[in-house]
Amino acid sequence: DVKVTQSSRYLVKRTGEKVFLECVQDMDHENMFWYRQDPGLGLRLIYFSYDVKMKEKGDIPEGYSVSREKKERFSLILESASTNQTSMYLCASSQGDRALNQPQHFGDGTRLSIL
Amino acid sequence: DQQVKQNSPSLSVQEGRISILNCDYTNSMFDYFLWYKKYPAEGPTFLISISSIKDKNEDGRFTVFLNKSAKHLSLHIVPSQPGDSAVYFCAARWTGTASKLTFGTGTRLQVTL
Repeated sequence: DVKVTQSSRYLVKRTGEKVFLECVQDMDHENMFWYRQDPGLGLRLIYFSYDVKMKEKGDIPEGYSVSREKKERFSLILESASTNQTSMYLCASSQGDRALNQPQHFGDGTRLSIL
Repeated sequence: DQQVKQNSPSLSVQEGRISILNCDYTNSMFDYFLWYKKYPAEGPTFLISISSIKDKNEDGRFTVFLNKSAKHLSLHIVPSQPGDSAVYFCAARWTGTASKLTFGTGTRLQVTL
C-alpha cells in the first residue's frame, strides 16, 4: 500500500511567519504534488514535481515555493504567511509513467491556520 | 475558468438505492478521468478511473460512465450504503502533462437509512 505522510495534521502560525509543510512518500514515486482544499473550490494545484530538484507551478503558486532535494520528500514553503493561506493542504504522489494510468495517492492533509 | 464541474454540491440517497454523481468537463484534451472519495479529516482516496478510449468501467458496486461527445462522466453506486457518505471529487488529466490533474468542486453524498 502506498503511504503518503504529512508531518503535521494541524498547524497554527502567525502572519508573516515562514511556514514549512513536509510530505514523504514510501513508494518511490517520481511525481509529487501539493494542493489546497477550500470549501466550494475543490482541490487546487499549487506546485508539482516530476523528479528530484524539478518543480513546476500549478494553478495557484503565488505566495508559495517548494523544495524536492530527495525523491521521497516534497516540501511546501509559505514564504510569508497570510490569513488567506488558511486552508487544508494535501500532498499526493504518483508513478511517473503516464502509460500506466496510475492514480495519485494522497496524504491525510495538514489543516493550517494563519492568525 | 472551471474546466471540471460538479454542479450538484450535495445529494441524498436512501440506503440500497442507486447514487448517481455527475461531472462535466470543457477541455477535449483530457484523456483520463478519476473519482476520489473523501471523508472529513482524511485525504482523498482513489475510487475508480476510466481512460478516454473507454465508455464504461466497473469495479464492484461502482461504475463510471464516460460520454465524450457530451463531455460528461458519471459515477453510479449500487446499492448505496451508509459508509458511502462522503464528498466525491471527479478529476481529469490533460494529455501531454506529467499526470497533473484538474479537480471538480466535489459533491457531498449522504446515504440515509
